[in-house]
Amino acid sequence: KAGVTQTPRYLIKTRGQQVTLSCSPISGHRSVSWYQQTPGQGLQFLFEYFSETQRNKGNFPGRFSGRQFSNSRSEMNVSTLELGDSALYLCASSTGQGMRRGTEAFFGQGTRLTVV
Amino acid sequence: GQQLNQSPQSMFIQEGEDVSMNCTSSSIFNTWLWYKQDPGEGPVLLIALYKAGELTSNGRLTAQFGTTRKDSFLNISASIPSDVGIYFCAGQVMGGAQKLVFGQGTRLTINP
Repeated sequence: KAGVTQTPRYLIKTRGQQVTLSCSPISGHRSVSWYQQTPGQGLQFLFEYFSETQRNKGNFPGRFSGRQFSNSRSEMNVSTLELGDSALYLCASSTGQGMRRGTEAFFGQGTRLTVV
Repeated sequence: GQQLNQSPQSMFIQEGEDVSMNCTSSSIFNTWLWYKQDPGEGPVLLIALYKAGELTSNGRLTAQFGTTRKDSFLNISASIPSDVGIYFCAGQVMGGAQKLVFGQGTRLTINP
């Protein structure tokens, strides 16, 4: 069974540009969550999508947005990039239904975004 | 907002020693999870706990869900070099959405 796939692995962007990151969840999983990881703030929840609907959102500005497609693949977009957006962006895949054994979140390898 | 306090922040041990780390919260969580992250990689799930008081093992790893639902600990017995990495606890609340709150991490270094 293939794991969570994130593309690209690395990105370098200039301030003011926008970027789109992609996440393909584990087959059969309908929930995709996104997290930002930085040395200063640690792992912070961005948002979660389930069956193409945003189900929860963290405390990030509107420049951070996402969407989910009918095949459960998800994209995350950051507009008007700032230096502080440099981070490892992780997506997590789960069934998204309930909290019991078998519904745990599995992470991809992440996309390392550097804003210069 | 919800926060998890994870300690210690770092550990330097000798190979073969046992390791213990814990997480505490001011809020109740319905699920506790422990992840390990290697440099440049995403977190890998080690153990998931779903019931207050639950004690679960995964090989040399043992974790417990505190009875108050506000804490959890992870023990690693007889550490080996591949245990090196950063360990994170994560809590999840009831409500349907898959949202995890993470601790700050414990960086484990092993001297051979």
